Amino acid sequence: QVTLKESGPALVKPTQTLTLTCTFSGFSLSTSGMRVSWIRQPPGKALEWLARIDWDDDKFYSTSLKTRLTISKDTSKNQVVLTMTNVDPVDTATYYCARSRDYNNPNWFDPWGQGTLVTVSS
Amino acid sequence: QTVVTQEPSFSVSPGGTVTLTCGLSSGSVYTSYYPSWYQQTPGHAPRTLIYSTNTRSSGVPDRFSGSILGNKAALTITGAQADDESDYYCLLYMGRGISVFGGGTKLTVL
Repeated sequence: QVTLKESGPALVKPTQTLTLTCTFSGFSLSTSGMRVSWIRQPPGKALEWLARIDWDDDKFYSTSLKTRLTISKDTSKNQVVLTMTNVDPVDTATYYCARSRDYNNPNWFDPWGQGTLVTVSS
Repeated sequence: QTVVTQEPSFSVSPGGTVTLTCGLSSGSVYTSYYPSWYQQTPGHAPRTLIYSTNTRSSGVPDRFSGSILGNKAALTITGAQADDESDYYCLLYMGRGISVFGGGTKLTVL
């Protein structure tokens, strides 16, 4: 059974750096075709894809946020970490991680983690 | 930047059929965009319905189907049920590692 779980601070102050961890089980991110993405959803708003890391350590970022995001993986710990610098109240959202496993299709996210709510406020 | 467009809201009668669409602010959606569809109810993580345009995810009933209709990706629900009342999101692959969600469609069953 494949599971993912997000963790991180529930409250972050503006201008600080947010660090989120996705801990997963049931697959290895060193297996060809495996990928993990981060997605967020502000309260009452739409989903937004943020970043992705692949089995071969390729990394991809949302065009609008790429200057503030860094994604990394620790294969031995089965974790993917997302950092976001200089957070603002508009970054308040539920943050999800999700797996992709099709070598030819990076656009199939399944399963998803339960999400973690991050509030940016002073 | 290209925007992925969805109807903000839609309503369907119980037992009815509804087609939600996913387009681009500029250009057409093709299978090479690997359209996928997700269902989300309040307070829950999204659930995968369709990937690769028309492949149902495991456990998804066959009344959900995906296709390309004209210049858009489409999700059709046949025989709508009350618990289909949800938000539906499409996701398109823009190439170069970038994926983009649509703004979502709030489906009401009444």
